[in-house]
Amino acid sequence: KAGVTQTPRYLIKTRGQQVTLSCSPISGHRSVSWYQQTPGQGLQFLFEYFSETQRNKGNFPGRFSGRQFSNSRSEMNVSTLELGDSALYLCASSLDRGDYNEQFFGPGTRLTVL
Amino acid sequence: KQEVTQIPAALSVPEGENLVLNCSFTDSAIYNLQWFRQDPGKGLTSLLLIQSSQREQTSGRLNASLDKSSGRSTLYIAASQPGDSATYLCAVSTMNRDDKIIFGKGTRLHILP
Repeated sequence: KAGVTQTPRYLIKTRGQQVTLSCSPISGHRSVSWYQQTPGQGLQFLFEYFSETQRNKGNFPGRFSGRQFSNSRSEMNVSTLELGDSALYLCASSLDRGDYNEQFFGPGTRLTVL
Repeated sequence: KQEVTQIPAALSVPEGENLVLNCSFTDSAIYNLQWFRQDPGKGLTSLLLIQSSQREQTSGRLNASLDKSSGRSTLYIAASQPGDSATYLCAVSTMNRDDKIIFGKGTRLHILP
């Protein structure tokens, strides 16, 4: 069974631009969560999508948004990029059977904002 | 608000030794706790997940315990190998809708050959 895939793996943007990251979950997984990882803040939860609906949201500004498609693939968008948005963006999928939600992570997208 | 702490931040031990990594959390209202390893520049690999009703889980040379009442979990690695060198993160699945999963900042483990 294929794991979680993320594209692109690396991205360089300039301040003010916007970016879209993509995540394909493990087949059969309907929950997709996004995280931001930086050296200073560690791993922080951005949001979770389940059956095309945002189910949970972390404490990030509205510039960070996402969506999920009917095939469970998810995209994350960041508008008006700031230098501080440089980070490794990770997505994770899970089966989400009640309170059993083991997370499986993709390799991440390394975003650099210049 | 749930906080997850991992101590120490870094650890170096000689190959072959058994070792324990620690994780503590402030709010016992959790669904589960999960241990991950992360190699430099890579994603996270799930090692063990312990449900809130469980006390421990084992996989090969790894054993994770959970004491919800004291807000602690440990990851025990037996007979360490150089390939175990990585950053180990613990994460709790909270009952708080806005947080969902809170990660510790990890313990960077280096196994000396």
